[in-house]
Amino acid sequence: QQQVKQSPQSLIVQKGGISIINCAYENTAFDYFPWYQQFPGKGPALLIAIRPDVSEKKEGRFTISFNKSAKQFSLHIMDSQPGDSATYFCAASKGSGYALNFGKGTSLLVTP
Amino acid sequence: ETGVTQTPRHLVMGMTNKKSLKCEQHLGHNAMYWYKQSAKKPLELMFVYNFKEQTENNSVPSRFSPECPNSSHLFLHLHTLQPEDSALYLCASSPGDRLTNEKLFFGSGTQLSVL
Repeated sequence: QQQVKQSPQSLIVQKGGISIINCAYENTAFDYFPWYQQFPGKGPALLIAIRPDVSEKKEGRFTISFNKSAKQFSLHIMDSQPGDSATYFCAASKGSGYALNFGKGTSLLVTP
Repeated sequence: ETGVTQTPRHLVMGMTNKKSLKCEQHLGHNAMYWYKQSAKKPLELMFVYNFKEQTENNSVPSRFSPECPNSSHLFLHLHTLQPEDSALYLCASSPGDRLTNEKLFFGSGTQLSVL
């Protein structure tokens, strides 16, 4: 049973546009929601993470929006750049001591 | 470079072969993990070691055998694999004195093909 559902599977955005990737979860015990970025030939790397006590977290051009009542969270990439082209994974866990449950990933292509 | 090194980068093996994947972390972390990454599937946690002791085994078939001789090294021994085991195998580590998933540092993975 997939614990975290991620959409879309792939996304094409023009340079300068906003990329939006969505994730949904069912387990209300989840309290840690990271996003990982993976470039071809590399392992995933932590990009940004949020806890449910806030509704939004911003780091540079990357923002996580969190909707606890809807059990959804999303990654927004503002002013998307070709260098942002990568696969993005959302994940969720019940916190320290518990394994991360990953989404299936979104392949993002930012065109020049 | 994340400080987690995996070798080999690519491996092709027959179903009757025995091979091993190696992972080394240079970050002083105490927890190490094996993940399996298959196309269009979520990353699957296979094994977790915390202070060299296996703390999690996610119902992985016995043809995969992990070994953690110290907190810096992790191996995955492979034998009599099936073609469906072909995937990218990722090693990761995390800081802390217990299983802490707050920030995983992944290696670049070993791309395994089973013929």
